[in-house]
Amino acid sequence: QVQLVESGGGVVQPGGSLTLSCTVSGFPFTTYAMYWVRQAPGKGLEWVATISNHGVNRYYGDTVRGRFAVSRDDSKNTLYLHMNSLKSDDTAVYYCARATRDTSGFYCDSWGQGTLVTVSS
Amino acid sequence: QPVLTQPPSASASLGASVTLTCTLSSGYNNYKVDWYQQSPGKGPRFMMRVGTGGIVGFKGDGIPDRFSVWGSGLNRYLIINNIQEEDEGEYYCGADHGGVPNFVAVFGAGTKVTVL
Repeated sequence: QVQLVESGGGVVQPGGSLTLSCTVSGFPFTTYAMYWVRQAPGKGLEWVATISNHGVNRYYGDTVRGRFAVSRDDSKNTLYLHMNSLKSDDTAVYYCARATRDTSGFYCDSWGQGTLVTVSS
Repeated sequence: QPVLTQPPSASASLGASVTLTCTLSSGYNNYKVDWYQQSPGKGPRFMMRVGTGGIVGFKGDGIPDRFSVWGSGLNRYLIINNIQEEDEGEYYCGADHGGVPNFVAVFGAGTKVTVL
């Protein structure tokens, strides 16, 4: 079955860097776009980034653009989120999600369990 | 880009019905939105996509028949009939906008559903 497993979360100091991974199985990774979505403690969902299949196009939310970078390694069935210049506001659970596309756009039809990133001194 | 507005909370007695609303900002009448369910302590789960004509495509895996959707004007509704205890949680609507190079995805703030 479809599985997405995030890893790499932890505690990092303000201004630091961290890379999250999302390893997938059960579907042809290369043919799907992928999302990163985060959720701060007690808050709602916030879109972070999207990468198209094959990694040609990459898009970012306003709050992370210029600091975060999304990438993928199709040979390893793995999605990455490289996070730099981290701030306390980046503290959140980070989810990866598979994005299926139809004529109306993307929807996230499978999600991982999330990995917690805490930015604190 | 569209803004999605959701009321913060809704409640219904066990076995009753409740309707959740997601309102698109002005000018986005033809947009479709996606509904996601998040049970306490878990990741989100895709439920279904809705436009003004109702469901678009198929429900997510394992979504019971008591969940349905409808759309009218700027509003997109998720209807829960015969609500059960396991339906408690947060419900989010989401949409995407634009394409290369100006793609953006947005979520509503979520509605917390309580079963009385």
